[in-house]
Amino acid sequence: DSGVTQTPKHLITATGQRVTLRCSPRSGDLSVYWYQQSLDQGLQFLIQYYNGEERAKGNILERFSAQQFPDLHSELNLSSLELGDSALYFCASSALLDSYGYTFGSGTRLTVV
Amino acid sequence: DAKTTQPPSMDCAEGRAANLPCNHSTISGNEYVYWYRQIHSQGPQYIIHGLKNNETNEMASLIITEDRKSSTLILPHATLRDTAVYYCIVRVEGYKLSFGAGTTVTVRA
Repeated sequence: DSGVTQTPKHLITATGQRVTLRCSPRSGDLSVYWYQQSLDQGLQFLIQYYNGEERAKGNILERFSAQQFPDLHSELNLSSLELGDSALYFCASSALLDSYGYTFGSGTRLTVV
Repeated sequence: DAKTTQPPSMDCAEGRAANLPCNHSTISGNEYVYWYRQIHSQGPQYIIHGLKNNETNEMASLIITEDRKSSTLILPHATLRDTAVYYCIVRVEGYKLSFGAGTTVTVRA
């Protein structure tokens, strides 16, 4: 157990639907990162939050949004889902000025049918 | 972040040392070298990192050349459970990790 908790582990939904992925960071970590990993692409950085504020944005689609709550958990919202959104979604956490990089969760496997 | 170059794949015999090379010729002075691995579809796992000096922990050793333009990750006694994709990343502390294609390491019995 890495200390980063992601729920649900698996999600199957239909095209056009909306889903929410949840991440609880490791205790004491203020930064949360979201990554997408599809079959034909590597790990793509989506977005970073630090203590509730958006800090960095990567290749995140406009149909996707995220937020970090006061208790530091984060949610990634995916809407108007397309078949191509099927992927593994990983959350990671770290201290801001971290010397050891990130700790990743075990991921949520999203399948859009 | 500086770009890294890794071989796409390599094989290693179980029980032998695995030496994974990484080139990062455009690394800047404040960028660290990090190594992560991803076993099957699990979340990436931190292995080791360094700035200038060689580093060793319970998982691996990291050898960084004096000019810092390349490094080698050493798994001293590879086991079947070390079969994974290994990512070499250079990064400024506190900034996002950018993953490349990595090296697929297959440990064979």
